Amino acid sequence: KQEVTQIPAALSVPEGENLVLNCSFTDSAIYNLQWFRQDPGKGLTSLLLIQSSQREQTSGRLNASLDKSSGRSTLYIAASQPGDSATYLCAVRREYGNKLVFGAGTILRVKS
Amino acid sequence: ETGVTQSPTHLIKTRGQQVTLRCSSQSGHNTVSWYQQALGQGPQFIFQYYREEENGRGNFPPRFSGLQFPNYSSELNVNALELDDSALYLCASSFGPLETQYFGPGTRLLVL
Repeated sequence: KQEVTQIPAALSVPEGENLVLNCSFTDSAIYNLQWFRQDPGKGLTSLLLIQSSQREQTSGRLNASLDKSSGRSTLYIAASQPGDSATYLCAVRREYGNKLVFGAGTILRVKS
Repeated sequence: ETGVTQSPTHLIKTRGQQVTLRCSSQSGHNTVSWYQQALGQGPQFIFQYYREEENGRGNFPPRFSGLQFPNYSSELNVNALELDDSALYLCASSFGPLETQYFGPGTRLLVL
């Protein structure tokens, strides 16, 4: 059974700091991994999707890496801003799987 | 092109009642997946509908049921509501069962 863990559970940083969020998964037979952002009480916004054959994806100040063999992914946020404050979730999809398995998320607060 | 929409946005029910949540899929999508997100946790897969048939189910009891209509919109029905059913219910649509899922804003259900 696939299990996804995110560390840390919560993070508070001053504006401008670079930060790293971690995601680990127990079954390396994944098809892809996706990072989402969730604002309080809202739905999910997809940030980055990495296929199992890829090592990383970048979008603006965000960079996500994937090490499938070790079951790890990191989301790097450069020059953090107060608007980045949200919960960040990672989710994996197994090969030929139709569902996403999510971690519990990291709650990020960026202080101005 | 409209995105995934859900109704209602908020709902309050009492224990033992029944509830129906609705999801309109994104244009061109034939698959809808439903997730339950309890407070402080990641979303959990309930089930998926593809071309009006259930196509996979998570670890949820039979009182959670669904439908998909010819226009690919979908309903989630929950009977005999329990306090633990209080959660954010998210639906996601996709071009197919294995394709990228696009999430709606969710329905917040509170069971008293």
